[in-house]
Amino acid sequence: DTGVSQDPRHKITKRGQNVTFRCDPISEHNRLYWYRQTLGQGPEFLTYFQNEAQLEKSRLLSDRFSAERPKGSFSTLEIQRTEQGDSAMYLCASSLGGREKDGYTFGSGTRLTVV
Amino acid sequence: AQTVTQSQPEMSVQEAETVTLSCTYDTSESDYYLFWYKQPPSRQMILVIRQEAYKQQNATENRFSVNFQKAAKSFSLKISDSQLGDAAMYFCAYRSADFGNEKLTFGTGTRLTIIP
Repeated sequence: DTGVSQDPRHKITKRGQNVTFRCDPISEHNRLYWYRQTLGQGPEFLTYFQNEAQLEKSRLLSDRFSAERPKGSFSTLEIQRTEQGDSAMYLCASSLGGREKDGYTFGSGTRLTVV
Repeated sequence: AQTVTQSQPEMSVQEAETVTLSCTYDTSESDYYLFWYKQPPSRQMILVIRQEAYKQQNATENRFSVNFQKAAKSFSLKISDSQLGDAAMYFCAYRSADFGNEKLTFGTGTRLTIIP
């Protein structure tokens, strides 16, 4: 297992277009998290899954954002009708339930630029 | 809601010297976890060290150690014998021990520069 993988690494899109990002967690991790990080800031929580169930969503996650984790494996984060304010690094992380003290394992992120 | 504050946007240290990064947090909970993450220019966040709030002993990982002051809600990171590879953004993070309260709350980070 090579850790948490995110695809693509970079995405440039025009305002108003839809984009989708993918995250492949560590295979034995049942929890998966999405965070957003803007320049000079710490990551901000967006949502998390336990297996295939989406258990919490931040108020940051407007109705233009949707996340799925079918079959409890990989996850996708879709942004519809992108806006310039969506430009950020989108980070995915995973963890194993019952091992809270271990923290998360992060992916390298997808950098979104909306032009 | 919990908050995490890192009051030092930037720090620099001479190679081989020691540097301390500050972090304070606010919570009404008694049981939680605290973490320091490192984010090098490649952008992947790496866990540096963790502390369980119920443990009084400060965590240590090789050259990295913490000073955990629960009453003061302070959690500083000390890096000894600084190396060029330590240059990165460092984030302090808080996580509740409550089942179902899963998210990590991060501070705004401290950019550490190592001077050769």
